Amino acid sequence: DAKTTQPTSMDCAEGRAANLPCNHSTISGNEYVYWYRQIHSQGPQYIIHGLKNNETNEMASLIITEDRKSSTLILPHATLRDTAVYYCIVRLSSGGGADGLTFGKGTHLIIQP
Amino acid sequence: DVKVTQSSRYLVKRTGEKVFLECVQDMDHENMFWYRQDPGLGLRLIYFSYDVKMKEKGDIPEGYSVSREKKERFSLILESASTNQTSMYLCASSLLVGERIGNQPQHFGDGTRLSIL
Repeated sequence: DAKTTQPTSMDCAEGRAANLPCNHSTISGNEYVYWYRQIHSQGPQYIIHGLKNNETNEMASLIITEDRKSSTLILPHATLRDTAVYYCIVRLSSGGGADGLTFGKGTHLIIQP
Repeated sequence: DVKVTQSSRYLVKRTGEKVFLECVQDMDHENMFWYRQDPGLGLRLIYFSYDVKMKEKGDIPEGYSVSREKKERFSLILESASTNQTSMYLCASSLLVGERIGNQPQHFGDGTRLSIL
């Protein structure tokens, strides 16, 4: 799986949009971009994933650049409960056998009241 | 919503005990996973199962075994607990679409924080 680079930490005011960047310059054509987050003392939570097109769900939007070398996760109206470590990973679209996730250090997003 | 339930949030056991960690998912997912998460080491895959009675070793299977007798339930067994198995244990599940395992998101339980004394 391709390596990703994320800022170590970010702050965002409550009610504002939180934009979390991720670089994945070595991504290959059949790798998806995934975002997970982990709130303190809880298990990781899946947020969103995409291949080429921008994606939106009830939690967030994912913007992938045309060359697919970077992406941005957008939380449109951040709340205090969005304070967490956010992980961007890239994964192959198919695979057999053990297919575990590997998280890097992620971005610690702190929502300020 | 997908629900992955782990039987205990906190567990304290003694060295040498046989320990069972249980995980149940309610979304009819074929794939189930057991990870451990340690500070500085991140998430590491212990075992994986893609069907009932099927299992595959992950990156760190030594000292562990698993059981998948029913589709919704995946158990992790520490055969003889040791202090280096003190960790946060996370269970996850995902859908299998044809043979495309990789592009289906994994959904996690809240974890079991296990302490071995």
